[in-house]
Amino acid sequence: QSALTQPRSVSGSPGQSVTISCTGTSNDVGDYNSVSWYQQHPGKAPKLIIYDVTVRPSGVPDRFSGSKSGNTASLTISGLQAEDEADYFCCSYAGTFTFYVFGRGTKVTVL
Amino acid sequence: QVQLVQSGAEVKKPGASVKVSCKASGYTFTNYQMHWVRQAPGQGLEWMGIINPSTGFTTYPHKFQGRVTMTRDTSTNTVYMELSSLGSDDTAVYFCARDLGQWRHAFDFWGQGTLVSVFS
Repeated sequence: QSALTQPRSVSGSPGQSVTISCTGTSNDVGDYNSVSWYQQHPGKAPKLIIYDVTVRPSGVPDRFSGSKSGNTASLTISGLQAEDEADYFCCSYAGTFTFYVFGRGTKVTVL
Repeated sequence: QVQLVQSGAEVKKPGASVKVSCKASGYTFTNYQMHWVRQAPGQGLEWMGIINPSTGFTTYPHKFQGRVTMTRDTSTNTVYMELSSLGSDDTAVYFCARDLGQWRHAFDFWGQGTLVSVFS
């Protein structure tokens, strides 16, 4: 299955906002409200930060927010902090043949 | 607290098989399905399948059907993922990841990852 399309990298200064896009198709992102986002620091396991497009798990700071329009989902980090520097992956449910597709990841750099 | 602890790194030759374990603790093992996801060096994540620890029922994507087998041992709260006919493109970190549950299609806790290296 084709991966979801994410920018390779984004950057921002502390306190700024950055937005990461995640573009799929009408068979995945566009068809299901089941987009999730994961933060991964180098050498660590991914951490769930958003599910069902907009929902933050308990303990995830509210500076992380998610949205979706058509076939594109987005993750916004507001008030960027040094510890937000990491890779971010999106994932979408894609039905009972493909099941799950991931983006290739976006590296967020805090300048 | 929920913990998923995986077995250690493996080095395999092409054509061999590998079996990775994932021991769960801190929750009722049979109440949550478990996924396996892999990450090749410098690459994104790839979903490999899911197992229901209560029933043993598994679902695999087409790409891995016939080559991956997921099992569980409810006496030790452990799930296993076995991948056969390994090739160099199977070199990756393999993660187990707990399903969020209630049809919410996300992975809420992850193991630490197991590096599988395949080379001759």
